[in-house]
Amino acid sequence: NAGVMQNPRHLVRRRGQEARLRCSPMKGHSHVYWYRQLPEEGLKFMVYLQKENIIDESGMPKERFSAEFPKEGPSILRIQQVVRGDSAAYFCASSPSDTRALHFGNGTRLTVT
Amino acid sequence: KQEVTQIPAALSVPEGENLVLNCSFTDSAIYNLQWFRQDPGKGLTSLLLIQSSQREQTSGRLNASLDKSSGRSTLYIAASQPGDSATYLCAVHSGAGSYQLTFGKGTKLSVIP
Repeated sequence: NAGVMQNPRHLVRRRGQEARLRCSPMKGHSHVYWYRQLPEEGLKFMVYLQKENIIDESGMPKERFSAEFPKEGPSILRIQQVVRGDSAAYFCASSPSDTRALHFGNGTRLTVT
Repeated sequence: KQEVTQIPAALSVPEGENLVLNCSFTDSAIYNLQWFRQDPGKGLTSLLLIQSSQREQTSGRLNASLDKSSGRSTLYIAASQPGDSATYLCAVHSGAGSYQLTFGKGTKLSVIP
């Protein structure tokens, strides 16, 4: 049973470009969470999704960031017009329900030059 | 607002020692608490999950305890090994209506051969 799969592992973008981060949850998991880890900081919650629904996006910046979890395919975290401050590790996690243990992927490390 | 603190920030011990990592949280109304391990450049590996009704959980050489009333959890590692070297993260799920995990900044453990 494959774990949470994130790609790409590393992503380099220039300021102003778009970044698209993908996450495939574990088989049987319908709950997906995105977290961001800034250098020297703890992980911070960004957004919680179920299939075709955004349940809680209270941790997401109001501008430039969006997330989706379509009926088919992976969850996507999109960052438009990236800035240097977006450089971080972005982790996806999944669970079979909102009260069970979360399983994390290996993350996507975004570098904005 | 829930806040999670982990002490110490870094710890270095000789191989074979038993050690304790500490985690404290400000709001005792939690649903569960999870300990993770993070290796450099990697994702998070779930170690132990303690439900709010439980006092402790054990897995191999690891034992995690939870004292909800005092807002504390400890992770005990017996007979430490160099392979235990990693950053250990504590995360709190604050319960019904909140889907977020609140993370501490972690304790970076080095086990010296």
